Amino acid sequence: DAEITQSPRHKITETGRQVTLACHQTWNHNNMFWYRQDLGHGLRLIHYSYGVQDTNKGEVSDGYSVSRSNTEDLPLTLESAASSQTSVYFCASSEGQENSPLHFGNGTRLTVT
Amino acid sequence: DQQVKQNSPSLSVQEGRISILNCDYTNSMFDYFLWYKKYPAEGPTFLISISSIKDKNEDGRFTVFLNKSAKHLSLHIVPSQPGDSAVYFCAARNSGNTPLVFGKGTRLSVIA
Repeated sequence: DAEITQSPRHKITETGRQVTLACHQTWNHNNMFWYRQDLGHGLRLIHYSYGVQDTNKGEVSDGYSVSRSNTEDLPLTLESAASSQTSVYFCASSEGQENSPLHFGNGTRLTVT
Repeated sequence: DQQVKQNSPSLSVQEGRISILNCDYTNSMFDYFLWYKKYPAEGPTFLISISSIKDKNEDGRFTVFLNKSAKHLSLHIVPSQPGDSAVYFCAARNSGNTPLVFGKGTRLSVIA
């Protein structure tokens, strides 16, 4: 079965370190997204991609970057981790067609100390 | 400015009764609306959707109603079951291949 996998599931890092969260999907979807979930804020869009070599900023993109070198992967990098980036991060993918729903991974819980 | 609003952070309902979750939006360009369900330690899963050309969509125990003039949608679950206890997110998007905008979520507790 096709799936979307995030790794690691849990990560603890120190302020100022660079951290990369992995996202891999086998749906062969063109669209991939990164959201963060915080209490009181719901799901907020960080970055997204509509295909290889395409990346776009979302609502809360400061301090994050992504790259899309193939269809399957969209890694999320925190250039210099801050305590405000402690959150649960969700990767999602969808077909390129209008009204296709998002398929989410199970999330990465990141703690920045 | 929050474009999708779920004003009730939590809701408790008895098993067998109806659960009604509400969502309001401010962007009149939204034309597709979705509900997602999320259990702890899992990613959100798609539940049901509705296009702006419709006012109702039904799938088993789940029905979504859309009132475009009021910019309001609601999710009805009948009858509610303990397994429905989860966080429910309302989401919306503009026409075309645009990202979803999510609300803050409503935690539903169905009490046996």
